[in-house]
Amino acid sequence: GAVVSQHPSRVICKSGTSVKIECRSLDFQATTMFWYRQFPKQSLMLMATSNEGSKATYEQGVEKDKFLINHASLTLSTLTVTSAHPEDSSFYICSARDRVGRPSHEQYFGPGTRLTVT
Amino acid sequence: GIQVEQSPPDLILQEGANSTLRCNFSDSVNNLQWFHQNPWGQLINLFYIPSGTKQNGRLSATTVATERYSLLYISSSQTTDSGVYFCAVQETSGSRLTFGEGTQLTVNP
Repeated sequence: GAVVSQHPSRVICKSGTSVKIECRSLDFQATTMFWYRQFPKQSLMLMATSNEGSKATYEQGVEKDKFLINHASLTLSTLTVTSAHPEDSSFYICSARDRVGRPSHEQYFGPGTRLTVT
Repeated sequence: GIQVEQSPPDLILQEGANSTLRCNFSDSVNNLQWFHQNPWGQLINLFYIPSGTKQNGRLSATTVATERYSLLYISSSQTTDSGVYFCAVQETSGSRLTFGEGTQLTVNP
């Protein structure tokens, strides 16, 4: 149980284009989902917290107009990287917190999406 | 915000050896999780352990919340244990997980 999927697993796009990444909780409902970014040989850094039915909360230094987050249902959150540039190339990971049942604070992570902007 | 320090940053073992990884944190927490990040980047949940002791096979973990540290024990290590081990905590007053810098474990045959 507690499976989180992401799609796509890897994407290559040209500079200036937009890319959408999907995060789904497959066997539980998640009122809250989180988006992280990880650069090579570094730890995970939280980008934003996504709450179903409301606006996302962005961490300091993360441009909300560049990284659009939508949490339209209890099982789906999307991250759109708009006008991508090479410096946006990174590993993007989402996580979800179970709404009921399991420990309420535990987070479950997706497999990640590797974005390369050329 | 809360500070999370992991030690050691790097660890090289021979297969069969035991090891202890440490996570220190600077404030009260209501969530502490240990993860193993595999070579493909997937974070594998090892333990949800804001306090107490848990065991799962060759792995066990202990969190002493009052002293603000957690330990991850790996016994009889195998080459498949190689990877990065992260500790992440959520402070009592917040909702976000803060990750440590990780311990890079290499187990040689």
